[in-house]
Amino acid sequence: GIQVEQSPPDLILQEGANSTLRCNFSDSVNNLQWFHQNPWGQLINLFYIPSGTKQNGRLSATTVATERYSLLYISSSQTTDSGVYFCAVESSITSGTYKYIFGTGTRLKVLA
Amino acid sequence: KAGVTQTPRYLIKTRGQQVTLSCSPISGHRSVSWYQQTPGQGLQFLFEYFSETQRNKGNFPGRFSGRQFSNSRSEMNVSTLELGDSALYLCASSLDPLNIYNEQFFGPGTRLTVL
Repeated sequence: GIQVEQSPPDLILQEGANSTLRCNFSDSVNNLQWFHQNPWGQLINLFYIPSGTKQNGRLSATTVATERYSLLYISSSQTTDSGVYFCAVESSITSGTYKYIFGTGTRLKVLA
Repeated sequence: KAGVTQTPRYLIKTRGQQVTLSCSPISGHRSVSWYQQTPGQGLQFLFEYFSETQRNKGNFPGRFSGRQFSNSRSEMNVSTLELGDSALYLCASSLDPLNIYNEQFFGPGTRLTVL
């Protein structure tokens, strides 16, 4: 089945720093989402980005589907950005059926 | 528009018992998926329901089952609980899995502890 790898696994930043999180996937995908999991476990939608580039405030994301990777950029990081960031891809299981597969996540800690 | 809701939020059970978790999707969403999250295995897909039919199932034993009602609400059941079933169970809803724009939205999760 499709493999989803995220890097780095852990990241510690000083407040105000910028960072880039990467998601590689081993096969073509139909859809791709980035999530932020807060300390209570809630998965917050960041981007729905099967291809192209999107920006939302200090966050932006780029997916290059032909090269099978996606990047999440966090600029001017804040302590509230701390948590785990997941990439999830939607892959075909059989004809007409699909499921989302999650990467192992990047654990980000932003220090004040 | 209200988000995905899950009940209960926390649950403590003992080995051998069974448990039922509930998920109400976003209004208008017809697909509900369930995921299990553990520190060792990460986020794993359990199953997906659409129009009251299970469309996909992950690699979990038959003790894990689910169903979807006509109003799209879904329940999942775990019978004969084992210690390893302790996890955060997340439910996600989407409009229609056959729609090319199949963005998933997650509920807050149910944290199950098996003693």
